[in-house]
Amino acid sequence: SQTIHQWPATLVQPVGSPLSLECTVEGTSNPNLYWYRQAAGRGLQLLFYSIGIDQISSEVPQNLSASRPQDRQFILSSKKLLLSDSGFYLCAWTGADNSPLHFGNGTRLTVT
Amino acid sequence: SQQGEEDPQALSIQEGENATMNCSYKTSINNLQWYRQNSGRGLVHLILIRSNEREKHSGRLRVTLDTSKKSSSLLITASRAADTASYFCATDQNNAGNMLTFGGGTRLMVKP
Repeated sequence: SQTIHQWPATLVQPVGSPLSLECTVEGTSNPNLYWYRQAAGRGLQLLFYSIGIDQISSEVPQNLSASRPQDRQFILSSKKLLLSDSGFYLCAWTGADNSPLHFGNGTRLTVT
Repeated sequence: SQQGEEDPQALSIQEGENATMNCSYKTSINNLQWYRQNSGRGLVHLILIRSNEREKHSGRLRVTLDTSKKSSSLLITASRAADTASYFCATDQNNAGNMLTFGGGTRLMVKP
């Protein structure tokens, strides 16, 4: 069966520090991969999606970047965090277009 | 911008009552999906309804879709305290099947 791993679960980082959040998927190949951010009590904002290795699309201009160095690995990064980067970050995958998304358990990032 | 908008934003009911949540969207779609999120966790897919379908059932869940009004509803019958969660609709904006846009969600509280 397919599983998605996302870590860490919580993270507290000072302003100006770098960020690296990792997401890996098991039990499937060539998934579509996604990074979403959720502000407290709000909906999800799509940050990045990827349909293949090194194929990344960005949905909003921001302080973040994403990379997909391997088929089932998706990394969210920042060189210098801002206070506004605080939020709940969710990784998700799907096996095909127009199919349900499967989410990880999220990373709660607090930038202080 | 958000494609789907749910209402109400918050709903509080007694156990055993039915809960109805609505979602409106703006563009043409291939499908509309409903997800559930427990506090501090990832989203879990509940049901997917395609644009050529009008109603779909899954256990105590009933979803309707009216493409002429660009709206959908999620009905949870005979609610239980364990149904307490946030519920989100998601659509593929402009038929972009590999990209889902989520609404702001409805926070449902079911009192025992």
